[in-house]
Parts: sequence; C-alpha cells; structure tokens
Amino acid sequence: DQQVKQNSPSLSVQEGRISILNCDYTNSMFDYFLWYKKYPAEGPTFLISISSIKDKNEDGRFTVFLNKSAKHLSLHIVPSQPGDSAVYFCAVILGNQFYFGTGTSLTVIP
Amino acid sequence: NAGVTQTPKFRVLKTGQSMTLLCAQDMNHEYMYWYRQDPGMGLRLIHYSVGEGTTAKGEVPDGYNVSRLKKQNFLLGLESAAPSQTSVYFCASRMEGRETQYFGPGTRLLVL
Repeated sequence: DQQVKQNSPSLSVQEGRISILNCDYTNSMFDYFLWYKKYPAEGPTFLISISSIKDKNEDGRFTVFLNKSAKHLSLHIVPSQPGDSAVYFCAVILGNQFYFGTGTSLTVIP
Repeated sequence: NAGVTQTPKFRVLKTGQSMTLLCAQDMNHEYMYWYRQDPGMGLRLIHYSVGEGTTAKGEVPDGYNVSRLKKQNFLLGLESAAPSQTSVYFCASRMEGRETQYFGPGTRLLVL
C-alpha cells in the first residue's frame, strides 16, 4: 500500500505564474518531508524539506506547506521558470527509510 | 569530490544471469541506499545500510542482495536476473543525523 501519493502525473504552467505540486500521505508518524527534483537521465536532487513540527518552509522561489490534519504536503514555485521543468517527487522519512511518491512532471511554458 | 557514482551506467542481461551494481561515495556518509525506479511507481527502496558491515531490507528486497564491506561502497547484487528487474537503479547516501540524501546518476538495467 502506497505511503505517499502524488495524484497529478503532470502539470503545465506558464512562465512567471505559480506552480503548485501536491502530495498526500497516510501515516501520521512521518516526521520529515522532502521534495526532490529530477531531470531526465540524472539522479534526483534535493530541493526543500520541512519538519513535522512546522507548517511552512521557504527557500527563495520554493515554499513547502504541511497540513498535518489533512496529511497533505504542497510545493509552491513562484515565479515558475522554464528551467523548473522536471519531475518532482515528494518523500517522507520514517526511521531510516524514505518513501517516495510517484512523481509529478512539471512543464513550464515560456 | 565526485559525490555518489554508480557503475555501470547501462547493462543488458539475459534472464538467469547475475551481476553486481557498484555504488561509491566520497562524502564519508554513514547511510547508503539502493532504489529502483519504474514508470508510474516512483522510487522504491530495495535495501539500505546504516554503516559499514550492516544492511537492512527495504520495501522491495526480493531477488536482490547487498553488501557494505567498506564505508564508501554499497554493492547491489542480482543472483539470477528476471525481466521484472528491468528498471533504473539509483544509489543514494546521507550523513547520519541529516535528512538530505544525495543520489547517483543511475544505472539502467535491461533484462531480456
């Protein structure tokens, strides 16, 4: 059974607008949440993270929001740029194990 | 400083053949991981290690074995490859006490 779900396989956004990527999780015991970005033929790279004791974390154009009551995580990218076009994975940590979502392919249209 | 490297980059196997994938990291990280990525499935953890000489099973360990004889290396073995093991394999490492994983570039494996 999937611990982490990303229900939107793809998303297209105009350059300069906001991109919102969503992630739902099942286990309220998860204590750390991360977003990774992946370009074709490369390994994932860390983007931003948030601890379960916070509800928001910001890093430049990237903001992650955590809604623990809804078990929902979102990544906001503002403004979106063509170089942001990639697959985005959310991930959660429980103990030493990481559980990844299925990914959302973001296309930013110039 | 190469980070995490994986060998080979691409391999074709016949059903029943064996092979070993090598992951090496030069960041002195304690933790190392092996994942597989399949279309529509995201990354799934195969095995991981929390230190030299230790290994543990992840979500999808069947058909794979691992060894961590040296801190910087984590080997993933397929004793008898099956077509279901066709996938892209990623290795990752992280420092103890830190949440960020660093990934290698991946190994694409095709089992015929």
